[in-house]
Amino acid sequence: DSGVTQTPKHLITATGQRVTLRCSPRSGDLSVYWYQQSLDQGLQFLIQYYNGEERAKGNILERFSAQQFPDLHSELNLSSLELGDSALYFCASSVAGGMDEQFFGPGTRLTVL
Amino acid sequence: ILNVEQSPQSLHVQEGDSTSFTCSFPSSNFYALHWYRWETAKSPEALFVMTLNGDEKKKGRISATLNTKEGYSYLYIKGSQPEDSATYLCASKAGDFGNEKLTFGTGTRLTIIP
Repeated sequence: DSGVTQTPKHLITATGQRVTLRCSPRSGDLSVYWYQQSLDQGLQFLIQYYNGEERAKGNILERFSAQQFPDLHSELNLSSLELGDSALYFCASSVAGGMDEQFFGPGTRLTVL
Repeated sequence: ILNVEQSPQSLHVQEGDSTSFTCSFPSSNFYALHWYRWETAKSPEALFVMTLNGDEKKKGRISATLNTKEGYSYLYIKGSQPEDSATYLCASKAGDFGNEKLTFGTGTRLTIIP
């Protein structure tokens, strides 16, 4: 158990809908990262937040947004969902966000029908 | 090298044998190289983070080396055990200052044959 929690574990929804994935980092970690793993693809970095501020951005679609709240938990919002958004979404956290190792949560499996 | 590449894609090793695999990464704007172990139905687990050219790290029977000038890292497993079966991911942290990103390779899937 890494200490990073993600909810929900599974999510099934329809195209065009909007969902919110939630992540609570390990106690004391200030950075939160979001990753997407689609079928036959490696982990793709989406976005990083550090102490409430956006720190780095990867290939995150405009339909996706994220935020980190004062209590350091983070949410990833996915809107106008398409079939291709079906994937495993991981959240990870690290102490500061520089060269630290990242601790991964169990992931949220999103299925868009 | 434009992307993070790992080889081989998969590997079958007899229990007790030693093995190694490679991670190649772009050497420009490089900050750190991460190795993760990912078991089926679990989440990736950090093994090492290395930053300096020539770095060597060790954890039990697993060790790793880093060459930042030529852009590669090796992961070694000595005396493989069935519990070593997993996918081993490397990731390079690189980019412009203030926008560094972790880019993952697609992994080496290791199967230990009892």
